[in-house]
Amino acid sequence: KAGVTQTPRYLIKTRGQQVTLSCSPISGHRSVSWYQQTPGQGLQFLFEYFSETQRNKGNFPGRFSGRQFSNSRSEMNVSTLELGDSALYLCASRVQLDTEAFFGQGTRLTVV
Amino acid sequence: KQEVTQIPAALSVPEGENLVLNCSFTDSAIYNLQWFRQDPGKGLTSLLLIQSSQREQTSGRLNASLDKSSGRSTLYIAASQPGDSATYLCAVNKGAQKLVFGQGTRLTINP
Repeated sequence: KAGVTQTPRYLIKTRGQQVTLSCSPISGHRSVSWYQQTPGQGLQFLFEYFSETQRNKGNFPGRFSGRQFSNSRSEMNVSTLELGDSALYLCASRVQLDTEAFFGQGTRLTVV
Repeated sequence: KQEVTQIPAALSVPEGENLVLNCSFTDSAIYNLQWFRQDPGKGLTSLLLIQSSQREQTSGRLNASLDKSSGRSTLYIAASQPGDSATYLCAVNKGAQKLVFGQGTRLTINP
């Protein structure tokens, strides 16, 4: 059974650009959540989608957005990139909102 | 607001020792608690999930316990090995809400 797949694994972008990250959940999982991880802040929750609806949202500016498709795959978009957006972005999938979470390997975003 | 604390932030022990990692949470009305390990630059690997109705869960050399009333969970690692070196995180789930993570314990096992 395939795990959670995140693409791309690494990205280098310039300040002001925008970026889209993709997450394919485990087959049958309807929930996808996104996290930002930095050495100073630890794991910060971005948002969670369930059956194409955003169910939970963290305290991030509107430059961070996401969506989920009918096949449960999810994308997150960051517009007008800032140096502080450099981080490891992780996504996790769950069957339901209260079941075990499984994480992908992450996308390492570097903003220069 | 649920807060999760892991103490100590870092721990270094010689190979072969048994050790305990701690996780405490402020709101005892949780649905379940999950332990993860994370290797540097990698994603999180799920180790154990304990439902609120359970007291403990075991997987190989790992044993996790949960005391909801006191807001505490422990992860016991038996006969530690260098390959156990990683950061260990706990996360609590309050039903249809986001997972709330602790800051993690960075574990180093010295050969």
